[in-house]
Amino acid sequence: EPEVTQTPSHQVTQMGQEVILRCVPISNHLYFYWYRQILGQKVEFLVSFYNNEISEKSEIFDDQFSVERPDGSNFTLKIRSTKLEDSAMYFCASSASASSYNEQFFGPGTRLTVL
Amino acid sequence: ILNVEQSPQSLHVQEGDSTNFTCSFPSSNFYALHWYRWETAKSPEALFVMTLNGDEKKKGRISATLNTKEGYSYLYIKGSQPEDSATYLCAFMGYNNNDMRFGAGTRLTVKP
Repeated sequence: EPEVTQTPSHQVTQMGQEVILRCVPISNHLYFYWYRQILGQKVEFLVSFYNNEISEKSEIFDDQFSVERPDGSNFTLKIRSTKLEDSAMYFCASSASASSYNEQFFGPGTRLTVL
Repeated sequence: ILNVEQSPQSLHVQEGDSTNFTCSFPSSNFYALHWYRWETAKSPEALFVMTLNGDEKKKGRISATLNTKEGYSYLYIKGSQPEDSATYLCAFMGYNNNDMRFGAGTRLTVKP
């Protein structure tokens, strides 16, 4: 069964460093998403991406964040200069369309720890 | 600010018990409600996508109902099994946004 994969599973970084979180969405999906969950808090939407551009982003997704689909398979989230409060689980998801009727399929997450 | 609330926060039941929990969401601007099942160390798994007031969906022993006018959805599990132990998340989508706003989840533990 096709699935969304994410690497690495755990990333530890120093405050101020750049990190890139990688996702491989399901191959025939066209819409891609990033979410995060800070420990003990709700899952929060960060950004959605379609046709090589951001279609929607939340107030969390500031200039420190960027997303890219560098080739036909990867979808990346870059945090330019990490802060302590960026420590969270980051989930990638993909769906066949943006319709609310369509399920989003989630990856297993990357745990980011900023020291 | 869209507030999606789930209750209870956690629930412990015995194997064989039936249980239910609630997701409440803004009744205006409703577009869809998603239910996810999330086992520890795994990806959230989609259970249901609900869009119409009065919708009832069923998958095996799990079912869900939707009331968009009053802004709530119930998830029911009949004859709980230990493998049902997970966090159950609901997520709201409004007309004006295509992102999902999640509740904090209900953590269900089913004891053998």
